[in-house]
Amino acid sequence: EVQLVESGGGLGQPGGFLRLSCVASGFSFRTHTMHWGRQAPGKGLVWVSRITSDERTITYADSVKGRFTISRDNARNILYLQMNSLRADDTAVYFCARSVEWGLDYWGQGTVVNVSA
Amino acid sequence: QSALTQPPSASGSPGQSVTISCTGTSSDIGAYNYVSWYRQYPGKAPELLISEVNKRPSGVPDRFSGSKSGNTASLTVSGLQADDEADYYCGSNTGTNKMLFGGGTKLTVL
Repeated sequence: EVQLVESGGGLGQPGGFLRLSCVASGFSFRTHTMHWGRQAPGKGLVWVSRITSDERTITYADSVKGRFTISRDNARNILYLQMNSLRADDTAVYFCARSVEWGLDYWGQGTVVNVSA
Repeated sequence: QSALTQPPSASGSPGQSVTISCTGTSSDIGAYNYVSWYRQYPGKAPELLISEVNKRPSGVPDRFSGSKSGNTASLTVSGLQADDEADYYCGSNTGTNKMLFGGGTKLTVL
């Protein structure tokens, strides 16, 4: 069974940092492109970042470029999102998702990030 | 990069069909066949309903179908059921290896 489990969310200070993790199981993690998305309270889904299986192509939404870094450890089946220079509008539930031909076919349950002083 | 455009709401009675539109540009929906659709219940993670414009993953009923014409994609839900009431999002890749989601459509079953 495919499973994606996020962790690392919590309360972050404006200007501070958090590191999210997404542990994958039940499939060949090293062969799949992975994404992060987020959803602010009461708002819609927003795409955040993408990393290919070989890490050669990494892209970010304009709103997080230069502040967030996506990475992966294919030996340990873990996807990461390093979030620096946090802002109040980064407050959201963050989801990781597996990608097959740009369709996000499996999602984690999400981890909550709250940026507040 | 602007979000794809979806109507904020849609509705239909049980048994009826409803179609939700998703409008992009010639740089995303119009340029590629990688439109996807997701259903999300409150407090839950999104679920993939349609990928590559019209492909249903295993387990998704054939009541759900997708199509595309030019810069606009559509999701049709046939034979509406009470548990179809949820938020629906479209997604598309862009020419710069990024992804866009629509703003979401709240489907109400009357």
